[in-house]
Amino acid sequence: GENVEQHPSTLSVQEGDSAVIKCTYSDSASNYFPWYKQELGKGSQLIIDIRSNVGEKKDQRIAVTLNKTAKHFSLHITETQPEDSAVYFCAASNQAGTALIFGKGTTLSVSS
Amino acid sequence: NAGVTQTPKFQVLKTGQSMTLQCAQDMNHNSMYWYRQDPGMGLRLIYYSASEGTTDKGEVPNGYNVSRLNKREFSLRLESAAPSQTSVYFCASSEAGQGRGEQYFGPGTRLTVT
Repeated sequence: GENVEQHPSTLSVQEGDSAVIKCTYSDSASNYFPWYKQELGKGSQLIIDIRSNVGEKKDQRIAVTLNKTAKHFSLHITETQPEDSAVYFCAASNQAGTALIFGKGTTLSVSS
Repeated sequence: NAGVTQTPKFQVLKTGQSMTLQCAQDMNHNSMYWYRQDPGMGLRLIYYSASEGTTDKGEVPNGYNVSRLNKREFSLRLESAAPSQTSVYFCASSEAGQGRGEQYFGPGTRLTVT
């Protein structure tokens, strides 16, 4: 079945630096790739998503890139702020849209 | 608009006890899901309901049962709790199927089985 690998598991940056989290997936038919942010003690919240017909998507300081050939996608956060500190999960769906497989998460710490 | 609500927030059970986790959404979503989250394991799907009246197994269904009571409510039952079921449980809902669009998550239930 589909497998999603996420790296790194932890990431520490200084405020103002950029942060990059990478995910690879195994099912070449995957066509939907969301990123979720989970703050301490809360449920996950969608921050950005991309579909397989698009190579890059931006929303203010957050961007996601998708390389279908290599089967990997990445989350880029620029000008990080302490409130960006959280656990980030990537996920990939299958083509039928019947399953969403999550990566194991990246704990991002932004120090001021 | 409360979104997705879960009760209880915390629960401690002894091995062999049973309990039901409750979930409700007020967004008129068709699909609802139950996940468990364990350290270093990410979110794993236990069961989902694509629409009222239907339920299907996810990746880790053993030891659990679910009920889609109506369009708003989706409960998760542990009939005989085991220490391996110690986890944080999240309910989620979406307008479309699981892999087609945004899922909205509840705040979670932290369950400890001793």
